[in-house]
Amino acid sequence: QKEVEQNSGPLSVPEGAIASLNCTYSDRGSQSFFWYRQYSGKSPELIMSIYSNGDKEDGRFTAQLNKASQYVSLLIRDSQPSDSATYLCAVNGQGTYKYIFGTGTRLKVLA
Amino acid sequence: NAGVTQTPKFQVLKTGQSMTLQCAQDMNHNSMYWYRQDPGMGLRLIYYSASEGTTDKGEVPNGYNVSRLNKREFSLRLESAAPSQTSVYFCASIGASYTFGSGTRLTVV
Repeated sequence: QKEVEQNSGPLSVPEGAIASLNCTYSDRGSQSFFWYRQYSGKSPELIMSIYSNGDKEDGRFTAQLNKASQYVSLLIRDSQPSDSATYLCAVNGQGTYKYIFGTGTRLKVLA
Repeated sequence: NAGVTQTPKFQVLKTGQSMTLQCAQDMNHNSMYWYRQDPGMGLRLIYYSASEGTTDKGEVPNGYNVSRLNKREFSLRLESAAPSQTSVYFCASIGASYTFGSGTRLTVV
């Protein structure tokens, strides 16, 4: 079992819809969770970080964390074609400096 | 501009050759990281340095060595390159923010 798992996609949604991206992790002691966006040929850029159970909203983005079920999700409201990218989930284990990434989910927003 | 600078951006090596990838950050971050990214494999951690003077292995350290030269610089060395090391390499540093360099595209033939 990989430490951080994501569906590779592609996930296709129409413009204006809500895109839902999911990530599960195996280390129950993990404490910090991150979502990155990566455009083709570019380096990852941080979208959201979340540290406690519940929802965290930032503009059109909402991160959701459920530590009991060991999953973290990212919702993108009013999806735009410019949101088309690969979304990477990253998890930081308890008491470590290791940040482990999932393989990423490719999102396609159709105009 | 503040950030993480990686050099070179592109490199082609022959099997068995050696090279060092350079990374420098000017954000006064303590922790620095080297990842490789391959199609369908996501970002895999090679080595990291939690602070100046310390380095630790990540998920895929075999075939690589690192040096944390000072707080700013963290280099990755391939002593004897192999085709399996063909990849895109990213350096990153973490402080109040997590910042990636622009990447090095390495091809080993």
